[in-house]
Amino acid sequence: QQPVQSPQAVILREGEDAVINCSSSKALYSVHWYRQKHGEAPVFLMILLKGGEQKGHEKISASFNEKKQQSSLYLTASQLSYSGTYFCGTGDSWGKLQFGAGTQVVVTP
Amino acid sequence: DTEVTQTPKHLVMGMTNKKSLKCEQHMGHRAMYWYKQKAKKPPELMFVYSYEKLSINESVPSRFSPECPNSSLLNLHLHALQPEDSALYLCASSQDPSGGISRYEQYFGPGTRLTVT
Repeated sequence: QQPVQSPQAVILREGEDAVINCSSSKALYSVHWYRQKHGEAPVFLMILLKGGEQKGHEKISASFNEKKQQSSLYLTASQLSYSGTYFCGTGDSWGKLQFGAGTQVVVTP
Repeated sequence: DTEVTQTPKHLVMGMTNKKSLKCEQHMGHRAMYWYKQKAKKPPELMFVYSYEKLSINESVPSRFSPECPNSSLLNLHLHALQPEDSALYLCASSQDPSGGISRYEQYFGPGTRLTVT
């Protein structure tokens, strides 16, 4: 079942912060975050695993609440380059990922 | 080198044509994926290969036929497609799948934009 992402879209000014949420109705083993710019491939940002391990970019942070089956991606001091569509992908086992519908982020000067 | 390459970039084909999409990675990854992505939608998994063997087929119609000739290459053979199959086809790869493919980040290629006329 597809995870639910919110908000659908957010507009930020450079330097502002934003939070993107991802929730699932199933117990999660992993949560992935990817960013896709228009006309380009999705790019890996962060992975959070059951048990607390995480791996990703220095300037991106995320949290994973296993009990609530939720994850949040924090965009801090946003830059123009943060614009794009953010997808979370959830694994309810160590198998395939299911991607959420995406959150469109627009950062303006 | 964290690159996944895909050819061709664009493909226009008629409903009676046969064509193939190609994907290549040299990161030593042993899991490879085909996704289909429609405009403003998330990637939708089609197939997963683990150690060159098909491990997941998401009930994809038989007009799509995947092939993994070796650990670096992944093909998608197309035959008798429908206009609704027009989409961006993304290939991805990730590390050793023996521990579970959702443990590892996926590296995506730039995709092939397919138009079926």
